[in-house]
Amino acid sequence: DGGITQSPKYLFRKEGQNVTLSCEQNLNHDAMYWYRQDPGQGLRLIYYSQIVNDFQKGDIAEGYSVSREKKESFPLTVTSAQKNPTAFYLCASSTSGRATGELFFGEGSRLTVL
Amino acid sequence: QKEVEQDPGPLSVPEGAIVSLNCTYSNSAFQYFMWYRQYSRKGPELLMYTYSSGNKEDGRFTAQVDKSSKYISLFIRDSQPSDSATYLCAMSTNAGKSTFGDGTTLTVKP
Repeated sequence: DGGITQSPKYLFRKEGQNVTLSCEQNLNHDAMYWYRQDPGQGLRLIYYSQIVNDFQKGDIAEGYSVSREKKESFPLTVTSAQKNPTAFYLCASSTSGRATGELFFGEGSRLTVL
Repeated sequence: QKEVEQDPGPLSVPEGAIVSLNCTYSNSAFQYFMWYRQYSRKGPELLMYTYSSGNKEDGRFTAQVDKSSKYISLFIRDSQPSDSATYLCAMSTNAGKSTFGDGTTLTVKP
């Protein structure tokens, strides 16, 4: 079945540590996105990538980094510079050429900083 | 001020009720309008997608867009307990990036 796989589902981190969240898709989508969701709030865009080896900052990129070395993979690193990293992180993808905003989401990764 | 404002809820209705979920927006460049459903601790899933002003129906769900008023709605007829979830409106321009509302949590009681 085609879809988006995020791992790990739950992650605990000590303050000052970097952590990397994995996102893999087999939908053959060109565009991939990372969103952050806090309780009672909508999704805020962290980074997005329209093609391999290229990515752009979203609305809240500070303290995060990404790479896009393969079409299928778009890992997100939450660095120690992110002041409030505890949140629910969602990876999404969409087809290129259709700038309609229709997104397919993974199941999410919940990061807790201890 | 946020570009997209969504009625905050939470909303609690009896089974069989008609539910109305609403969003307003300020950016005239938004052309695509989506509703996503998100169950607890899960990723959102696309429920409805519309492009132009007017209504779009899919089973018990109707999405309504009024571009002149910058207002969109999602109606759920004959609501079921399985409809209990958070509903997120989202909008995008031709650039493809989506802007989301904060979500409305709906509980349908048997």
